[in-house]
Amino acid sequence: DQQVKQNSPSLSVQEGRISILNCDYTNSMFDYFLWYKKYPAEGPTFLISISSIKDKNEDGRFTVFLNKSAKHLSLHIVPSQPGDSAVYFCAAGYNFGNEKLTFGTGTRLTIIP
Amino acid sequence: EAQVTQNPRYLITVTGKKLTVTCSQNMNHEYMSWYRQDPGLGLRQIYYSMNVEVTDKGDVPEGYKVSRKEKRNFPLILESPSPNQTSLYFCASSSILGTGADEAFFGQGTRLTVV
Repeated sequence: DQQVKQNSPSLSVQEGRISILNCDYTNSMFDYFLWYKKYPAEGPTFLISISSIKDKNEDGRFTVFLNKSAKHLSLHIVPSQPGDSAVYFCAAGYNFGNEKLTFGTGTRLTIIP
Repeated sequence: EAQVTQNPRYLITVTGKKLTVTCSQNMNHEYMSWYRQDPGLGLRQIYYSMNVEVTDKGDVPEGYKVSRKEKRNFPLILESPSPNQTSLYFCASSSILGTGADEAFFGQGTRLTVV
């Protein structure tokens, strides 16, 4: 059973516009959420995270929103740049005592110049 | 430079021929894990290790073995590879200090093909 889901396998966005990537989870015990970015032929790299005690976290052009009641998080990229074209994975884990991360299936983001 | 190093990057092998994929990290991280990435399935955890001599099964451990004799190394062993183990494999490490679930550092991946 897929506990973390990314329902959009791909997304195309015009350069300069907002990219919104979505992620849903089913396990209410998750209390820490992360986004990873992956370029071809490279390993995933950490992008941004959010703890369940917050509903928003910003880092430059990247903002993650968490809606605990809906078990939904989203990543906003504003403005989108060609270098943002990559596969994005959301992951869910625990704040204390358990390092295990459960990953979603990924969304391939393509930024159109 | 902080990094996780996997070897080899690419490997083609035949069914049943034992192989080992090495993973080494230089960040003194306690937690290490192996994932496989398959189309439509994302990253799935194979095995993980909380520290030296402490390993446990992840979500898809069948057909794999691991060992953690030293803190920096976490090799993945396929005793008798089968074609359904053809996949892209990633090793990752993270620290268990602080708040936990800290961001994991990933290796560059090993693309394995079993024919």
